[in-house]
Order: sequence, then structure tokens, then C-alpha cells
Amino acid sequence: EPEVTQTPSHQVTQMGQEVILRCVPISNHLYFYWYRQILGQKVEFLVSFYNNEISEKSEIFDDQFSVERPDGSNFTLKIRSTKLEDSAMYFCASGDTVNTEAFFGQGTRLTVV
Amino acid sequence: RKEVEQDPGPFNVPEGATVAFNCTYSNSASQSFFWYRQDCRKEPKLLMSVYSSGNEDGRFTAQLNRASQYISLLIRDSKLSDSATYLCVVGGVRGQNFVFGPGTRLSVLP
Repeated sequence: EPEVTQTPSHQVTQMGQEVILRCVPISNHLYFYWYRQILGQKVEFLVSFYNNEISEKSEIFDDQFSVERPDGSNFTLKIRSTKLEDSAMYFCASGDTVNTEAFFGQGTRLTVV
Repeated sequence: RKEVEQDPGPFNVPEGATVAFNCTYSNSASQSFFWYRQDCRKEPKLLMSVYSSGNEDGRFTAQLNRASQYISLLIRDSKLSDSATYLCVVGGVRGQNFVFGPGTRLSVLP
């Protein structure tokens, strides 16, 4: 069964450092998403991406965040200068059409120290 | 008003019980509706999409009432493996921003 894969599964970084979280969406999907979940809190939308551009983003997704689809398979989330409050589980998801379900990767646990 | 609200939980039920989860959403223009389950420290996994006509998948039944902006999930004959947090998810107006409810935790007890 096709699945979304994310790497790394856990990343520890120092405050102020840049991190890149990587995702390989399901191959025939066209819509890509990043979500995050701070421990004990709900899943929060960050950004959606379609046709090589951001289609929607939340207020969390400020200038410190960027996304890229550098080739036909990878989808990355970059955090330019990490803050302690960026510590969370980051989930990538993909979907084949706009109003259908999204399938989630297993997540990257980011710990900023 | 929060965008997606759910029963606060937790629900502790014995094996074999029937349990119902409720969810309300605030945006009447929402286009799509889902139930996901999330095990501790894992990713959300799709349980079922929710259609206006209601739908059933084995022991799980989902209902949608657009007029009341209300979604429900019924689990019959609960199993120990049903223990998880159940997430109500609503697709945004353009469908590209899935809004998650806070989740309702279910513990099925032997």
C-alpha cells in the first residue's frame, strides 16, 4: 500500500539553527500539506501546496518557514531559525484531489534545545 | 467559536460497548468531512470519510447533518484495539486546509 514517508523520524537541533524536514508524498498525489502537533495539543495546519506553489497557509507559517518541491518526489519544510516553541511533531500529508482525504506520514519529531 | 469542537472525553467503555462521538463545525461552507484516529505519538490515520447520506464501514457508522453542522461517529461492539484518540476533521472552503478538532480519547477496557 502506498504511503507517505518522512525523514528523519526525530531531529534535535539548537535554537537558531536551520532545519529541513523531508517528505516523499504518495506518487500520484497532487496536493501536499504540512501540519504540526505540539505535544498534548491538537493537529494544526501549516501550509498546503499544489501545482508548485503554496495554495494556503496559516498564521503559524510565517517568514521563518518555507516549503519546496525540489524534484518530482520530495516535498520539504524548512525552518530558517528554529525557536524553542517550534518543538513539535511535524506531519506531511498528501491527497489526490482537493476535497478528498489526506494521508499522513509517520511524522518528524523536532526538538529544539 | 472554535472551528471544530468535539466531546472532551475521555471515554472509558467496556469491550463490546457501543460508543458515540460528536463533533460540530463552525464554517457552513465546509466541503469535506472525515474521522481520523490517532494512536499515542503516531500520525493521524483515516478512519472514514463522512458523506451527507451517512456511511457505514463494519462496526463504524458516520453521520453528517449539514443543517446543524454536526458530525457523529458510532462504534459498535468496541474492541480493545479501538482505544485511540478520534479526530474530527473538516475540509476548508477550498478544501485545502483540513481543520482538526481537539480529539476525543477512547479507552476500551477488558
